Amino acid sequence: QVVLTQSPSASASLGASVKLTCTLSSGHSSYAIAWHQQQPEKGPRYLMKLNSDGSHSKGDGIPDRFSGSSSGAERYLTISSLQSEDEADYYCQTWGTYVVFGGGTKLTVL
Amino acid sequence: QVQLVESGGGVVQPGRSLRLSCAASGFTFSSYPIHWVRQAPGKGLEWVAIISYDGNNKYYADSVKGRFTISRDNSKNTLYLQMNSLRAEDTGVYYCARVGLVGATVGPFDFWGQGTLVTVSS
Repeated sequence: QVVLTQSPSASASLGASVKLTCTLSSGHSSYAIAWHQQQPEKGPRYLMKLNSDGSHSKGDGIPDRFSGSSSGAERYLTISSLQSEDEADYYCQTWGTYVVFGGGTKLTVL
Repeated sequence: QVQLVESGGGVVQPGRSLRLSCAASGFTFSSYPIHWVRQAPGKGLEWVAIISYDGNNKYYADSVKGRFTISRDNSKNTLYLQMNSLRAEDTGVYYCARVGLVGATVGPFDFWGQGTLVTVSS
């Protein structure tokens, strides 16, 4: 069964960039993932699907500030020109027989 | 636009039952698999169950297998989650989520509902 690992927290300054990481467990480096954002007291919001080759397709209305990339078993979400509303929890998701989520990264915008 | 609206949450005693609903609009409901995902207070997301677009295939997380039943009524554009023998650890916000791939069973969730809160407490 695939496992997704995320750092519990990250922080960056307003206007800066941040790169969040989701790591696939051994033997699953070819898996695609999805990134989701959950702002405080809200339901999750789909950001993008990210393939192992780094190609990605974003959800409706997702700003260009959000981008994805891949390297081996690592999947990245980069947010540039950070805004206050980007302060949220970010979850990666993958799927095989069932669905698996990473533990989430809480992003603080300083 | 695509909308998923959950309802049916509330406070229930341990051992009792509850049925959640997820009303869909803005897309051809009968073409998409839909999942239930939950989130305990202050915790991360946990996948609960999935039903295929035609209702013929259903899968459950081990934590709810034998207690929860997922179903759908494509004529009413509605998904259900029947929750029996509820436990304190079932407490949380329950979301329905659409898989963004027609005909697939699993894949990326491209739309989520706003969630409905279930509290299991005596």
